[in-house]
Amino acid sequence: QVQLVQSGAEVKKPGASVKVSCKASGYTFTSYGISWVRQAPGQGLEWMGWISAYNGNTNYAQKLQGRVTMTTDTSTSTAYMELRSLRSDDTAVYYCARNDNWGLVDYWGQGTLVTVSS
Amino acid sequence: QPVLTQSSSASASLGSSVKLTCTLSSGHSSYIIAWHQQQPGKAPRYLMKLEGSGSYNKGSGVPDRFSGSSSGADRYLTISNLQSEDEADYYCETWDSNTRVFGGGTKLTVL
Repeated sequence: QVQLVQSGAEVKKPGASVKVSCKASGYTFTSYGISWVRQAPGQGLEWMGWISAYNGNTNYAQKLQGRVTMTTDTSTSTAYMELRSLRSDDTAVYYCARNDNWGLVDYWGQGTLVTVSS
Repeated sequence: QPVLTQSSSASASLGSSVKLTCTLSSGHSSYIIAWHQQQPGKAPRYLMKLEGSGSYNKGSGVPDRFSGSSSGADRYLTISNLQSEDEADYYCETWDSNTRVFGGGTKLTVL
């Protein structure tokens, strides 16, 4: 069965960076893309960006351009999302999600809470 | 890029049916969307993919009580025989030109 297992919760200071991992199993990793979506406390879902696990092509949300980098390691079927220059409003649960062949999300990771606080 | 509009809240009684709406912005009425459910304190769960024709394809393990339909720019999620565990936030999603978009979500209360 398809599973996306994310790394554990993080606490960071403003200005620091965080890197969240997402290990995929149960399917051919390079046949699908991975999106990253975040959810601030009490808010809705915000798409952050997408990476092709096939060739590493990326698309990032305009508001995060320059602060976010998404990568994959095909040898371990793991996707990574790094967010730099953290601010307090980056405090959120971060989800990885698999994109099906239509481009839509069809599986979600369990989420990783990132708290930014001085 | 497309915009998805959802009502912020809905409510219905246990055992009844409810129809949630996601409306695509002008010029995007043919787009395929996905519906996702997020129960309190949990990660979202994929429910189904829904085309403009009304054809839908549900995810693994999604109960028969969940169905989809379409009319013009509107995409609907109908939940029949409401159960307490259906109380959740429901989000629609679509994508275009390398951008993915979520609706603001509808909070469903089961009375």
